Amino acid sequence: KNQVEQSPQSLIILEGKNCTLQCNYTVSPFSNLRWYKQDTGRGPVSLTIMTFSENTKSNGRYTATLDADTKQSSLHITASQLSDSASYICVVRISGGYQKVTFGIGTKLQVIP
Amino acid sequence: DAEITQSPRHKITETGRQVTLACHQTWNHNNMFWYRQDLGHGLRLIHYSYGVQDTNKGEVSDGYSVSRSNTEDLPLTLESAASSQTSVYFCASSEVAGLNEQFFGPGTRLTVL
Repeated sequence: KNQVEQSPQSLIILEGKNCTLQCNYTVSPFSNLRWYKQDTGRGPVSLTIMTFSENTKSNGRYTATLDADTKQSSLHITASQLSDSASYICVVRISGGYQKVTFGIGTKLQVIP
Repeated sequence: DAEITQSPRHKITETGRQVTLACHQTWNHNNMFWYRQDLGHGLRLIHYSYGVQDTNKGEVSDGYSVSRSNTEDLPLTLESAASSQTSVYFCASSEVAGLNEQFFGPGTRLTVL
């Protein structure tokens, strides 16, 4: 069964600190992996996309990594800000169909002053 | 700017009533999707459409229907609302080619009493 598991489920960090969110997947055949940010009461917004050949990709203070061999991805947030408080969702797409995506439950991050 | 909108943003209804949630996108995307989001679950696909007059069932389609009469709109109908359908509903759209990023609407919070 295709699954996407994220850890931790929730996280509280101090403003200015760094943090790393994890995503493990069993999806096959793999096409790509996206990290979405979902603010409370809003729809998810894409942060980064990782394809099979990519190991690292940055988007400002967000850096995603992908290890396709171990089927693991991480999202590292540097110098966190209060606006980073949100849920972060890992989404893996299977090759061969537009609807073939599996969503993780997400990690809820709270950044406190 | 292109966008995807949903209405209403909040809806309270009674068990057994028919409810329709609207989704409108100005991206001119052929692909459109409906998801529901519940605590403890990732986003789950209800229905999707690859273009006008095309509709397909997702993993949790029982009790829901959609119709696609034009590119811009994909309304979701709950034929006879049940308490188990209390959820937050998200509409999304994506282009056919490329990396298929899904753009999400702001969501509709539906409560069935």
